[in-house]
Amino acid sequence: QVQLQQWGAGLLKPSETLSLTCAVYGGAFNDYFWNWIRQSKGKGLEWIGEINFSGNTNYNPSLKSRVAMSVDTVKRQVSLRLSSLTAADSAVYYCARGGYPTQVAGQFDYWGQGSRVSVSS
Amino acid sequence: DIQMTQSPPSLSASVGDTVTIACRASQSIGTFLNWYQQKTGKAPKLLIYGASTLQTGVPSRFSARGSGTDFTLTISGLQLEDFATYYCHQGHSSPRTFGQGTNVEVK
Repeated sequence: QVQLQQWGAGLLKPSETLSLTCAVYGGAFNDYFWNWIRQSKGKGLEWIGEINFSGNTNYNPSLKSRVAMSVDTVKRQVSLRLSSLTAADSAVYYCARGGYPTQVAGQFDYWGQGSRVSVSS
Repeated sequence: DIQMTQSPPSLSASVGDTVTIACRASQSIGTFLNWYQQKTGKAPKLLIYGASTLQTGVPSRFSARGSGTDFTLTISGLQLEDFATYYCHQGHSSPRTFGQGTNVEVK
């Protein structure tokens, strides 16, 4: 059974950097892209980007200048860093398994439990 | 970016009803269309991928169809546990994008 468990700081100040980690239990880690997706009331579900086992990344252009993803294949973990935070970055952040062509339609079939991040001074 | 437009934004229905949710892509995405169900405080759950393929374990009362730019999700015989918000998502092009959601609520 595949499980994604994520953690990270939940309350941050403007200009700080968000850091989240997602651990993958079960399943084939190397066959997929590991995605970060966030959800806020204002913007709905927003795809942040993806990374695979070899560190290949693909970021949403709207966030690209502030995003960095990394992978640790030994620990089966992926991490997200988002810099220069503003209140608009307040959201629930999810990690999710995806990636074409293993996922024939690029679907996200397993999700983490979500991490609520609030940015406030 | 490919814009995904869902309609209606919300609908009210009763247990046993059949409901249909529409999703339109701003350009052709073939069958790279996926549907998710989300309940309050939970992560989205994959229901349908590739426009019409039921994810393992999803009840057969859920069905979907479409290709190109127009897609639909149908729930036949709504159950209490189906009251939730539904999202479409395109996996065709980067950046991946989602519809704004359709909230299915109890009439």
